Amino acid sequence: EIVLTQSPGTLSLSPGERATLSCRASQSLSSNYLAWFHQKPGQAPRLLIYTASSRVTGIPDRFSGSGSGTDFTLTISRLEPEDFGVFYCQQYGSSPPTFGGGTKVEIK
Amino acid sequence: QAQLVQSGAEVKKPGASVKVSCKASGYTFVGYYVHWVRQAPGQGLEWMGCIKSNSGGTDYRQKFQGRVTMTTDTSVGTVYMELSSLRSDDTAVYFCATTEWLSAAFDIWGQGTMVTVAS
Repeated sequence: EIVLTQSPGTLSLSPGERATLSCRASQSLSSNYLAWFHQKPGQAPRLLIYTASSRVTGIPDRFSGSGSGTDFTLTISRLEPEDFGVFYCQQYGSSPPTFGGGTKVEIK
Repeated sequence: QAQLVQSGAEVKKPGASVKVSCKASGYTFVGYYVHWVRQAPGQGLEWMGCIKSNSGGTDYRQKFQGRVTMTTDTSVGTVYMELSSLRSDDTAVYFCATTEWLSAAFDIWGQGTMVTVAS
């Protein structure tokens, strides 16, 4: 199965700062089938980005995804208070679908 | 508004089975794939398997083969996930999520069902 490694484990930032999250796959992802999710405590994950760079309708444009092959990045251009929580990447082109271990974005 | 509604929290003893339901509200997921993902306390997300809601065809993660059964009841628009021979490390929140086709991002999620396994 494909292993996804996310870094850093924790990011301590202030509102208004830029966040850069990384997701590395153990093998190249077919059709760049890579998604990013945001999860707050007690809630289900929320889909932000699919096929590496396509933003879901209704997701603010401060969220952007990039990358291909094995290296992917989620960038949040200016952090808002509601952006804090855990971000997960997921590959869904190869069975079983797998998730990264998550990056926690916390308030500095 | 499209959403998935799951059954309530469960407390089970080791060795027992649990059955969690997932029903679409505001849309019909006939023909969709329904995936089950679990999250142990303070941990990450783990895909368990999926079922095609109309045909009942399933794909289980090898780790859960023999212990998990996913079924569909199209008459009530509900999908079920049953996990047997429960252990303490099965304590987790269990989520359902739907996709229109097999290789697609999980765009609609249920609210989650907490399953606690304790003696």
